[in-house]
Amino acid sequence: QSALTQPASVSGSPGQSITISCTGTSSDVGGYNYVSWYQQHPGKAPKLMIYDVSNRPSGVSNRFSGSKSGNTASLTISGLQAEDEADYYCSSYTSSSTPYVFGTGTKVTVL
Amino acid sequence: EVQLVESGGGLVKPGGSLRLSCAASGFTFSSYSMNWVRQAPGKGLEWVSSISSSSSYIYYADSVKGRFTISRDNAKNSLYLQMNSLRAEDTAVYYCARVFLILSGMDVWGQGTTVTVSS
Repeated sequence: QSALTQPASVSGSPGQSITISCTGTSSDVGGYNYVSWYQQHPGKAPKLMIYDVSNRPSGVSNRFSGSKSGNTASLTISGLQAEDEADYYCSSYTSSSTPYVFGTGTKVTVL
Repeated sequence: EVQLVESGGGLVKPGGSLRLSCAASGFTFSSYSMNWVRQAPGKGLEWVSSISSSSSYIYYADSVKGRFTISRDNAKNSLYLQMNSLRAEDTAVYYCARVFLILSGMDVWGQGTTVTVSS
């Protein structure tokens, strides 16, 4: 199972909106609404930000939103803040013999 | 407080074995599927293994199949990963994580335990 494809880096100024893409296939992202997004600060454990494509867990800011079109899922961060600078990973359920696959990861830089 | 705490990491020689543990507290452990996820130094997240709430369903990444064994003891609120025939490429921080909903995201993560495979 190959990793889902994410851009290596995305940057934006405070207050702006940025979008991170996550491209898979019809066997994972495109076939199921089980895409999740994780935020990871250096030296810390990942934190769930979005589950099932567009749902936010309790306590996650509404500046974070998720969507999906075909085989590509997206995470949008609006009103970018300095604390949003981190690595972001998507993940999807997959119909292959291994149920989960992560994306390659995207480093978000706040300029 | 909902919490996962990993232990058991360390330095091991290639070909050696190690057993990781993950102690759960603050929630009904027996109701949730659990995962092990690892992250090699400077690299991304890699799913390693999954186990359903009653241990009926178990899955492994191809990279560890035949070498790693996941298990759980619901009476002890604990998750385990027995790692045999370790290789240099198994060097990573290993996280245990709770599956939020069936097939869904992982909403609770431990702090991670570091495994280093080196001679």
